[in-house]
Amino acid sequence: QKEVEQNSGPLSVPEGAIASLNCTYSDRGSQSFFWYRQYSGKSPELIMSIYSNGDKEDGRFTAQLNKASQYVSLLIRDSQPSDSATYLCAVNAGANNLFFGTGTRLTVIP
Amino acid sequence: SAVISQKPSRDICQRGTSLTIQCQVDSQVTMMFWYRQQPGQSLTLIATANQGSEATYESGFVIDKFPISRPNLTFSTLTVSNMSPEDSSIYLCSVKKGGFDGYTFGSGTRLTVV
Repeated sequence: QKEVEQNSGPLSVPEGAIASLNCTYSDRGSQSFFWYRQYSGKSPELIMSIYSNGDKEDGRFTAQLNKASQYVSLLIRDSQPSDSATYLCAVNAGANNLFFGTGTRLTVIP
Repeated sequence: SAVISQKPSRDICQRGTSLTIQCQVDSQVTMMFWYRQQPGQSLTLIATANQGSEATYESGFVIDKFPISRPNLTFSTLTVSNMSPEDSSIYLCSVKKGGFDGYTFGSGTRLTVV
């Protein structure tokens, strides 16, 4: 059973702060990892992907992967109210589909 | 990334009826995926649709309830059959564009069964 775990939140941070979102996964064979952002009533939008241990930065977003600990995180620097959304962690364990966590709801307070 | 058009965007249906959801991609893709997102929950894969072969269903989903067509490399349909209120969900199609690229989602179909 492939499981992807996230804290459901809600996570509230003040504008300009760093938001830290965490995700653990159960399948050690997992090969690729994704963070999606989903605004209420909208479909998920891919914001980050990471495949190897370490950090990957893209603008205000940094994804961190630690395969030994089966842990992936997303940091959002200089958080903006427009970042308020649900963030979904997704894991691909080699088959051509994704397993999603339940999502963390982030609220950025102006 | 691929652009996916999905329709209808929403529908309200009577129990016992069926609804067919269409998904059109702007480029050819080998595999298309159908997901369900129940209220307040995350996404669950229903099935994988390959062109020219039967769809592959995940545990808990069966072809009689969710028949899928994949007539070509840019189009797929998902039918939700004999609907009950428990089928009220958002249904999403998704494609993967080569290698380890992320998956792109259509805009979703919000289904309410009354």
